[in-house]
Amino acid sequence: SQTIHQWPATLVQPVGSPLSLECTVEGTSNPNLYWYRQAAGRGLQLLFYSVGIGQISSEVPQNLSASRPQDRQFILSSKKLLLSDSGFYLCAWSESSNQPQHFGDGTRLSIL
Amino acid sequence: QKEVEQNSGPLSVPEGAIASLNCTYSDRGSQSFFWYRQYSGKSPELIMFIYSNGDKEDGRFTAQLNKASQYVSLLIRDSQPSDSATYLCAVIGGRKSSYKLIFGSGTRLLVRP
Repeated sequence: SQTIHQWPATLVQPVGSPLSLECTVEGTSNPNLYWYRQAAGRGLQLLFYSVGIGQISSEVPQNLSASRPQDRQFILSSKKLLLSDSGFYLCAWSESSNQPQHFGDGTRLSIL
Repeated sequence: QKEVEQNSGPLSVPEGAIASLNCTYSDRGSQSFFWYRQYSGKSPELIMFIYSNGDKEDGRFTAQLNKASQYVSLLIRDSQPSDSATYLCAVIGGRKSSYKLIFGSGTRLLVRP
């Protein structure tokens, strides 16, 4: 069966510091991969999605970036974090574009 | 108009009752419809998905889709306190894109023991 792993579970970072969140999927090949952010009390916002290695589409212009160096690995990065980057970051995968998306456990990011 | 609308709740039902959660969507071209359950502080968990008009049942859950009315619902039979959570409706496949899952803001369900 397929599993998705995200780490770390929680992270506290100072303003201006860099960020790297990692997500890996097991048990499937060439999945669609997604990064979402959920701000406190708010809905889910799609940040990036990828249909293959090196293929990244950005939904919202911001100081975050994403990379997919391997088929089942998706990384969310920032060079300098802002206070507004705080939130619950979720990685998800799907077999194809209109299939159900399955979420990892998420990373709760707090910026001080 | 929001793309996916849900009543924020809370919807309060007694244990053993049927909980009815509703969702409307604005893009008539939407093709796939999903219900997720999210416990406080946790990630969303897929509960049901439906692609065709009508009902789809899985255990205590029934998803209903009416594309003509642009309406999706989730029924939870024999509600349990463990069903207390926020339920997110999501749609995909509309005119704007075929990959983007559009979420509603969620309905909070409270099942009273």
